[in-house]
Amino acid sequence: AQSVTQLDSQVPVFEEAPVELRCNYSSSVSVYLFWYVQYPNQGLQLLLKYLSGSTLVKGINGFEAEFNKSQTSFHLRKPSVHISDTAEYFCAVSLYNQGGKLIFGQGTELSVKP
Amino acid sequence: DARVTQTPRHKVTEMGQEVTMRCQPILGHNTVFWYRQTMMQGLELLAYFRNRAPLDDSGMPKDRFSAEMPDATLATLKIQPSEPRDSAVYFCASGAGDGRDQPQHFGDGTRLSIL
Repeated sequence: AQSVTQLDSQVPVFEEAPVELRCNYSSSVSVYLFWYVQYPNQGLQLLLKYLSGSTLVKGINGFEAEFNKSQTSFHLRKPSVHISDTAEYFCAVSLYNQGGKLIFGQGTELSVKP
Repeated sequence: DARVTQTPRHKVTEMGQEVTMRCQPILGHNTVFWYRQTMMQGLELLAYFRNRAPLDDSGMPKDRFSAEMPDATLATLKIQPSEPRDSAVYFCASGAGDGRDQPQHFGDGTRLSIL
């Protein structure tokens, strides 16, 4: 069965520090990979996506992620976080053979402290 | 920017009442998804439609939940009768194409409380 695991449920970090949010997936078929962000009382917004090509993808708000096929990982990084990055982050996979259905991880709560 | 619109944003009602949640997908998007978010279960896919036809509703309790798309601009999710365990935030999302490589665009959700 396909699954997505976000290895940290909460990540506290100080402002201007770097951050990495980890995501591993399990799938027997090809996947497309996404990171979404959810601010309080809002829906999810797309941060970035990996479909094919370069394994390093850049998204909005200075975030980037690297696809590692051998490790089945898609970790999200930002070199310097801001208070405004405080939110819940979700990793998701779309299975090549399942018509757009997304499987989400449990989410990582990023808390940026001054 | 085009947005997915969900109504109502908040709903509080008593157990046993019918609840209807509505979603207006982004114009031109042909795929609509319904999710439920709770602290315990996280994000769960309830059902989704493509070109108004249901593709998968295996995540939905069939005895009390129903999802429809009366037309391309409206998707509905109904719960009848509602139960306290249905309390959650319900999200609608829409997407284009065959969905596999297209991002989903989420509404701001309906926060449902069943007393």
